[in-house]
Amino acid sequence: DTEVTQTPKHLVMGMTNKKSLKCEQHMGHRAMYWYKQKAKKPPELMFVYSYEKLSINESVPSRFSPECPNSSLLNLHLHALQPEDSALYLCASSQDGGLGNQPQHFGDGTRLSIL
Amino acid sequence: EDQVTQSPEALRLQEGESSSLNCSYTVSGLRGLFWYRQDPGKGPEFLFTLYSAGEEKEKERLKATLTKKESFLHITAPKPEDSATYLCAVRLSGSRLTFGEGTQLTVNP
Repeated sequence: DTEVTQTPKHLVMGMTNKKSLKCEQHMGHRAMYWYKQKAKKPPELMFVYSYEKLSINESVPSRFSPECPNSSLLNLHLHALQPEDSALYLCASSQDGGLGNQPQHFGDGTRLSIL
Repeated sequence: EDQVTQSPEALRLQEGESSSLNCSYTVSGLRGLFWYRQDPGKGPEFLFTLYSAGEEKEKERLKATLTKKESFLHITAPKPEDSATYLCAVRLSGSRLTFGEGTQLTVNP
């Protein structure tokens, strides 16, 4: 079991739907991350929140909208996604606020399928 | 350009057959090298952090080492449950991790 919890584990949605992915950590970590991972590829960084503020957006399309309601929670709001957005979406957190050298700890992801 | 290369892409071992995975990097300003294990359908599981050349870390059958240009993950007497994809990542300035493509390890009983 990981200390970063992601829900739901699986999500199937149509291209016109709106849904949200959720991530929670209670390790007191001050940086949280969203990654996208395609099959047999390494994770690709999407967003970084440092001390609850968005610090990095890796030129992600606006159909993905992150939100950090507090230091323990991270959401990813999805709207009008494309079939190529189907992937494993991973959340991670690190103790150092994102600017140090501490490891990132990952959740088990949400498997997203776009019909 | 900063780059992380893992080799081999895939490795098949018999149970008990020791071997090593390689992660070479061409980066400046390394702030940490990280090894992760990823099982199918799961997120990467953190294994080790190495910060400076000459550093070594061990955990059960795994030992990670670091030089100025590469890191090795040594697997001693592997078991089938060690089968997974092993990812290497380097952290430069800021928040970004640069991942290698991974090595898919299969250990046959």
